[in-house]
Amino acid sequence: GDSVTQMEGPVTLSEEAFLTINCTYTATGYPSLFWYVQYPGEGLQLLLKATKADDKGSNKGFEATYRKETTSFHLEKGSVQVSDSAVYFCALSLTFRTNAGKSTFGDGTTLTVKP
Amino acid sequence: EPEVTQTPSHQVTQMGQEVILRCVPISNHLYFYWYRQILGQKVEFLVSFYNNEISEKSEIFDDQFSVERPDGSNFTLKIRSTKLEDSAMYFCASSEWGANTGELFFGEGSRLTVL
Repeated sequence: GDSVTQMEGPVTLSEEAFLTINCTYTATGYPSLFWYVQYPGEGLQLLLKATKADDKGSNKGFEATYRKETTSFHLEKGSVQVSDSAVYFCALSLTFRTNAGKSTFGDGTTLTVKP
Repeated sequence: EPEVTQTPSHQVTQMGQEVILRCVPISNHLYFYWYRQILGQKVEFLVSFYNNEISEKSEIFDDQFSVERPDGSNFTLKIRSTKLEDSAMYFCASSEWGANTGELFFGEGSRLTVL
């Protein structure tokens, strides 16, 4: 079945450090790929997305590139801030499987940024 | 900014009791979803709903679960006879174009505790 594998956490970084959170996927078909972020006590919010191979999603300094050849969608940020501390979920959605579709999520990676 | 709202934010119930979790999706969205997140674990798909019927459901969504859109604005999840293992955060989500191509907008979640 379809699945998403994220690097295991938790990840602890100092402010201004470089962030990479790895994400790889398995899917039959051509998925759209997403990164969602969950701040403490809140629901999930879309961070960025890419809908086809070689697309780069970006938002708030975060980037991820849809790599079909390596089935990956790694999240990166050049300089993290304390306010980036959250849980990050990689997700995929498959096109045209059903009318509504569904998103399949990875396990989530907890990021803590220390001043 | 339009948002998905969920009630209650937290419900404590006894095993075997019925629970109804309520959601008000974003008004122009047509696709609705329930996900759950057991503490510290991944976000799991339960069910998707479109055009007044279930589009897809997971193996978790057994006969104890049901969904309804009773009045054109609310979207409810009913658990008929709760079990201890139903304790989780339940997230409602809605989408304008479906998870296939668009993002999901999540509510802040309803925490269910079954004693």
